[in-house]
Amino acid sequence: GAGVSQSPSNKVTEKGKDVELRCDPISGHTALYWYRQSLGQGLEFLIYFQGNSAPDKSGLPSDRFSAERTGGSVSTLTIQRTQQEDSAVYLCASSQKQGGATYEQYFGPGTRLTVT
Amino acid sequence: GIQVEQSPPDLILQEGANSTLRCNFSDSVNNLQWFHQNPWGQLINLFYIPSGTKQNGRLSATTVATERYSLLYISSSQTTDSGVYFCAVGTSGSRLTFGEGTQLTVNP
Repeated sequence: GAGVSQSPSNKVTEKGKDVELRCDPISGHTALYWYRQSLGQGLEFLIYFQGNSAPDKSGLPSDRFSAERTGGSVSTLTIQRTQQEDSAVYLCASSQKQGGATYEQYFGPGTRLTVT
Repeated sequence: GIQVEQSPPDLILQEGANSTLRCNFSDSVNNLQWFHQNPWGQLINLFYIPSGTKQNGRLSATTVATERYSLLYISSSQTTDSGVYFCAVGTSGSRLTFGEGTQLTVNP
């Protein structure tokens, strides 16, 4: 079946502009995660959505970052007033989730964001 | 938070050689995954292995949860095995914490 998809694959933006990154999880996966990968910080967690529960936003680096998940499926990560340090690859992942059980996470191809 | 250490950071092999990559973690986990990041940046799932041993072709993995480590074995390496191998762990059914990765280069 189809995997996790992300768009755009590449985004170049000017410092100070807002950007929106999109993630389509695997059909039927109720858990959705955002991570980012940058040279200085490695792979780091940003935010986690599970069903109708309040998202875990503890990994968001500043209040310029926000994310939403509409209808329990597609998610959008928004970065306001972008800074050069926001340049990174933003990765989305999804997994099944039932109760306290853990399941394998599957990653999308990522969006490479470059802030000039 | 939980700490994840991978070793070695870099590994260079000749085609056909075997290798072992190690992942140590600092706390009990209920999720452990091994990934291969290909040259295009895609994270490819290799194993979901919070405990026990699994094998898939030339690759196998073992996690000893009580001793807080996991090993990834690559046998008869091929040039297409080159890339970065990541270990990632989870403790609460949500986020994964990644190690720094092992950069593997397989020369022909």
